[in-house]
Amino acid sequence: SYELSQPPSVSVSPGQTASITCSGDKLGDKYACWYQQKPGQSPVLVIYQDSQRPSGIPERFSGSNSGNTATLTISGTQTMDEADYYCQAWDSSTGVFGGGTKLTVL
Amino acid sequence: EVQLLESGGGLVQPGGSLRLSCAVSGFTISSYAMSWVRQAPGKGLEWVSGISGSVDGTHYADSVKGRFTISRDRATNTLFLQMNSLRDEDTAIYYCAKHPYRSGYYYFEYWGQGTLVTVSS
Repeated sequence: SYELSQPPSVSVSPGQTASITCSGDKLGDKYACWYQQKPGQSPVLVIYQDSQRPSGIPERFSGSNSGNTATLTISGTQTMDEADYYCQAWDSSTGVFGGGTKLTVL
Repeated sequence: EVQLLESGGGLVQPGGSLRLSCAVSGFTISSYAMSWVRQAPGKGLEWVSGISGSVDGTHYADSVKGRFTISRDRATNTLFLQMNSLRDEDTAIYYCAKHPYRSGYYYFEYWGQGTLVTVSS
């Protein structure tokens, strides 16, 4: 079965750039998306189709996907961005999530 | 405004059954693909099942195949998940989610608030 791998945790200082990676076999041949989840809340879509931002998502969120790796980049990270982030892709009509990355802003 | 409201969670014994519902508003459920996603306590997200297309094609994670059934009712604009032969490892918050198109999944555009299912003796 298809698998996506993420680092368990990433730390960043406020105002700096955070990068969260997601690895999977030939992931670049699929569309990757990213979800933000804060404690006690439902996930929120922040990037879809590799690099598209839904309405209402700040411009500091961006994404890319090539080869075996998709990357979520948060520029000028704010304390409100502290959350768990999940990458996700589809493999033959089966949804696959990465294990999630806890982003700490300190 | 798109809204998804899950219900039907609760405590059930191993081997038991439960039926989850997701009442939607702000759109016609038959016009979009829909999914169930779960999250075990303190764990990550896991896609469970999806329903897509004009003929309601259904898809399941291997972990629930043969035990869970997804369906939807156009008259009440409600998504369902019938869960049978429940196991301890099915304990999780279950979210329903809307996709952006009728056919194909692409991404989870909107999420409900979730309903907790606890499988325990």
